[in-house]
Amino acid sequence: GDSVTQMEGPVTLSEEAFLTINCTYTATGYPSLFWYVQYPGEGLQLLLKATKADDKGSNKGFEATYRKETTSFHLEKGSVQVSDSAVYFCALISSGSARQLTFGSGTQLTVLP
Amino acid sequence: DTAVSQTPKYLVTQMGNDKSIKCEQNLGHDTMYWYKQDSKKFLKIMFSYNNKELIINETVPNRFSPKSPDKAHLNLHINSLELGDSAVYFCASSQSGVNYGYTFGSGTRLTVV
Repeated sequence: GDSVTQMEGPVTLSEEAFLTINCTYTATGYPSLFWYVQYPGEGLQLLLKATKADDKGSNKGFEATYRKETTSFHLEKGSVQVSDSAVYFCALISSGSARQLTFGSGTQLTVLP
Repeated sequence: DTAVSQTPKYLVTQMGNDKSIKCEQNLGHDTMYWYKQDSKKFLKIMFSYNNKELIINETVPNRFSPKSPDKAHLNLHINSLELGDSAVYFCASSQSGVNYGYTFGSGTRLTVV
């Protein structure tokens, strides 16, 4: 079945540091890939997405590139802010599934001033 | 505002009680979902409805019963609540055939005491 593996957290960084959160996946066909963010006490918000190989999703300074050869979709940001502190979820929807969004386990990010 | 809204936001109840969580979306989506998020932030799909028909029913105790009176609503009824049901429950919606991901509600934190 489909699965998403995310780097274990928690991750603690200083403000303006470079962020990478690793994500790899297993899926049939050509899945669509997503990063969601959950701020404290809130629901999940779509951060960015990519629907085919070599697509780059980007939003709010975050980027992730769909790498089919390595089945990866790593999240990066060049300079994090305190306001980026949240839980980040990598997710996928397989092309052949009943559109079930399958999540990774989430990575807690804390950015210190 | 266009959104997925769920009520109540917080629900504290005693073991053995029956409770319902309501969800409504005004995005015109044809598919709605319930997810459960445990204390470690892990998200697992419970149910999915497409045009009022159940299409995903993961391994969930039959004390949980979804009800979809129309495409815009998907309510979750829980009978005989147990301590282990304590979690955050998220409603979400999407449009089939479109890879924009899901739109999530802000969650209902259920605490069973």
